[in-house]
This record gives sequence, structure tokens and C-alpha cells, in this order.
Amino acid sequence: DTAVSQTPKYLVTQMGNDKSIKCEQNLGHDTMYWYKQDSKKFLKIMFSYNNKELIINETVPNRFSPKSPDKAHLNLHINSLELGDSAVYFCASSQVAGEKLFFGSGTQLSVL
Amino acid sequence: AQSVTQPDIHITVSEGASLELRCNYSYGATPYLFWYVQSPGQGLQLLLKYFSGDTLVQGIKGFEAEFKRSQSSFNLRKPSVHWSDAAEYFCAVGARGYQKVTFGTGTKLQVIP
Repeated sequence: DTAVSQTPKYLVTQMGNDKSIKCEQNLGHDTMYWYKQDSKKFLKIMFSYNNKELIINETVPNRFSPKSPDKAHLNLHINSLELGDSAVYFCASSQVAGEKLFFGSGTQLSVL
Repeated sequence: AQSVTQPDIHITVSEGASLELRCNYSYGATPYLFWYVQSPGQGLQLLLKYFSGDTLVQGIKGFEAEFKRSQSSFNLRKPSVHWSDAAEYFCAVGARGYQKVTFGTGTKLQVIP
């Protein structure tokens, strides 16, 4: 039973399209995150939520909008996709903020 | 602001040889320190963490790390590397109750037979 699952695993789309990535955790954690990993493997936090409340928005363009319908889910919607959005997006969760992160297996987004 | 430096982008070791991956951090208060491993096409998995107490911490897969406050370092070690250890290794710094965990740029480990 996967602890943090995200879908889809691969996403190939055209510039200007809108797409969503879904994330679910079954660990009972209160805190969830979105991280972006670029082509050089640099991992940067985008958003964090605690019990459905946005805590961190790390200077991410407005085209990115996270949504947390409940504390087990954190989805990421991206409007007007650009070439520079191509990356691997990881969802993660933790029991306590700042402690061990549990990662999903990532969504590889390719914008053509 | 917190930051993490991993000075080695790529390291190659022979199977059975010892390994040390370097990590230096910058953080004003007492940090939480982590090492994560990422295999190709996978998410990150925690190897070990340091919160407080004994400065030598043991992790999974035979890894250990030593926290040295005076050097702001948290280097990862393994006495004998296996081919399955080939992966990307990330050092990270955080703090309890603080949402932001900051990652280093990673060190890619290659293991040769």
C-alpha cells in the first residue's frame, strides 16, 4: 500500500495547456508539500500545507495553484504551461513540520 | 536563511571501498539534519536523521553520519559500498515545526566493479 501516491507519473503536454497533478497520502500526516526537481536534480520547495491551510508559497508563479480538499490530498494545478515548467514534481508529507519527509515517486512533466 | 552545500557533484568509488559524502549547512539555531537517497526514477528515501543527542547517527543500508557543530558539517559514510548504492544522495536541513526543509544540490554516486 503506497504511502504517498501521485498521478500521473508522466505528463507530456503542449505549451499553453492547463494540467493537474494529484497527490494522496495514507499516513495520517497533517503536513503536505510540493517540491520541484529541475534537470540538474536541484530540489526546491514550492508549497506546504498544514491541515488544508497554506503555510509556504515559495515565490511560485500564480499559474501554479495548489488545492487541498482534505488533509490527505494535495493537488497541483498549472495554468498556461511554459517550457520552463518542465521538471519532476514531487509530493511529500510529514507527521511534524520539519521532520522526516515521505516522498511520492514523482511526476515527470514535459512541456513541448 | 538556511542553506546546504554538497561540494561534490559526482563521486566514483569501487565496490567494497569506503565512502564519505560531504555536507555543510548554514542555520542559525540547532538544525535538524537529514540524508536522503534517490534511485533513478524514484522519489527520495530517508537514510538517516539527526535531531539531537549522540552526534554519530546510524541509518538504513549500513550508512552513518556524524554531526560536527564546530565545522557545520554532517558527512555521510559507509565502510564498504555495494553496487546497489549507486544513486543520488541529498543532504537537507530543517527545524522542528518549521515547514521548510532545504536540500543540497545532491551528489551522484557511481560504483564501479
